[in-house]
Amino acid sequence: DVKVTQSSRYLVKRTGEKVFLECVQDMDHENMFWYRQDPGLGLRLIYFSYDVKMKEKGDIPEGYSVSREKKERFSLILESASTNQTSMYLCASSLRASGANVLTFGAGSRLTVL
Amino acid sequence: AQSVTQPDIHITVSEGASLELRCNYSYGATPYLFWYVQSPGQGLQLLLKYFSGDTLVQGIKGFEAEFKRSQSSFNLRKPSVHWSDAAEYFCAVVPMNRDDKIIFGKGTRLHILP
Repeated sequence: DVKVTQSSRYLVKRTGEKVFLECVQDMDHENMFWYRQDPGLGLRLIYFSYDVKMKEKGDIPEGYSVSREKKERFSLILESASTNQTSMYLCASSLRASGANVLTFGAGSRLTVL
Repeated sequence: AQSVTQPDIHITVSEGASLELRCNYSYGATPYLFWYVQSPGQGLQLLLKYFSGDTLVQGIKGFEAEFKRSQSSFNLRKPSVHWSDAAEYFCAVVPMNRDDKIIFGKGTRLHILP
């Protein structure tokens, strides 16, 4: 089975710190995604990538950036963390760019910004 | 506007009882349809999907879903729930006439009474 690994399950950071969330998938998937999950709001897409060095904005990209230097790794970056970025962050990947896509998710990274 | 609606935020059922979780979508054409489950503290896992063909789809863990075109619905069912089914359930769609971004409903949290 494909695995999506988010290296940090729980993080506590201070306002203004730079935060890196790392995501690695091991099945040569083309597409990778970062979502944010908040109670009552469901999953909201932050950024996604269809290929190495390619990135596209999702629905809520403000305050975030991403990096995809290698096919298997997709990083989410908070340049200057703020308290309203306290949330659960979910990484996902899928095989290719077609509608019949099954997403495989990581276990999530719960970020608290103080 | 195109949307995915899960009208029930919380549902409580007794162990052994039957379950139906509702999902409605508003798109012109039949989309690809998915149900995902999220256990506490975990990422999302695919339960089942509908792309075409038989409108009754079987999934993992004894779940099934039925696509009803006339009602624009894709409701999830299980004849007898187990305590381990307590989780959050997400309906999702990918419109066939758009790009590949999957759109999630806001989720239904299932509580199981012993």
